[in-house]
Amino acid sequence: DAKTTQPPSMDCAEGRAANLPCNHSTISGNEYVYWYRQIHSQGPQYIIHGLKNNETNEMASLIITEDRKSSTLILPHATLRDTAVYYCIVRVDNYGQNFVFGPGTRLSVLP
Amino acid sequence: DAGVIQSPRHEVTEMGQEVTLRCKPISGHNSLFWYRQTMMRGLELLIYFNNNVPIDDSGMPEDRFSAKMPNASFSTLKIQPSEPRDSAVYFCASSGTGAEKLFFGSGTQLSVL
Repeated sequence: DAKTTQPPSMDCAEGRAANLPCNHSTISGNEYVYWYRQIHSQGPQYIIHGLKNNETNEMASLIITEDRKSSTLILPHATLRDTAVYYCIVRVDNYGQNFVFGPGTRLSVLP
Repeated sequence: DAGVIQSPRHEVTEMGQEVTLRCKPISGHNSLFWYRQTMMRGLELLIYFNNNVPIDDSGMPEDRFSAKMPNASFSTLKIQPSEPRDSAVYFCASSGTGAEKLFFGSGTQLSVL
């Protein structure tokens, strides 16, 4: 079973920041938070992951609360191409641990 | 790097027929995953391998499904006999040592009539 809770859908205006929340209140100390997205009919695509520090890459920023029970994925300037389902996943970062996908958040970027 | 390669992209078959889906992971990756996606159930993990050994097959729906990984560069998912409820998109994914990132293929759209 997925260990995360996400809102089923969100809207965002093009050019504005999209902030996608995720609750993972039962996260363990050695579990990482991963974000993936799936654009219609394609395979899921890795976005970013982190343990406890905030992370940033060319795609997005990940903000993890100090107690690690929730996180937010930030797309700083959303475009129409960012319309997708976004999945938040927690897992231990070693092989032997599978990725369990929940229903995710369907983000619609509106013109 | 060609990424994870799946074949065929689309498969249409009749109920009762055998279906074989194929996957070539990214070179050097040692973990391979098979997922199934439907509108009703979302993205479900069927089975995953580490170093060609099946680690967890608890997601395989029933005995009609079987998966093999004879070597590090090839895996198959077989359904025999196929049923209409098997219609779905089947994704293969691979990851390397440390398993930080999961890389997905383009999927196989299976339709069982």
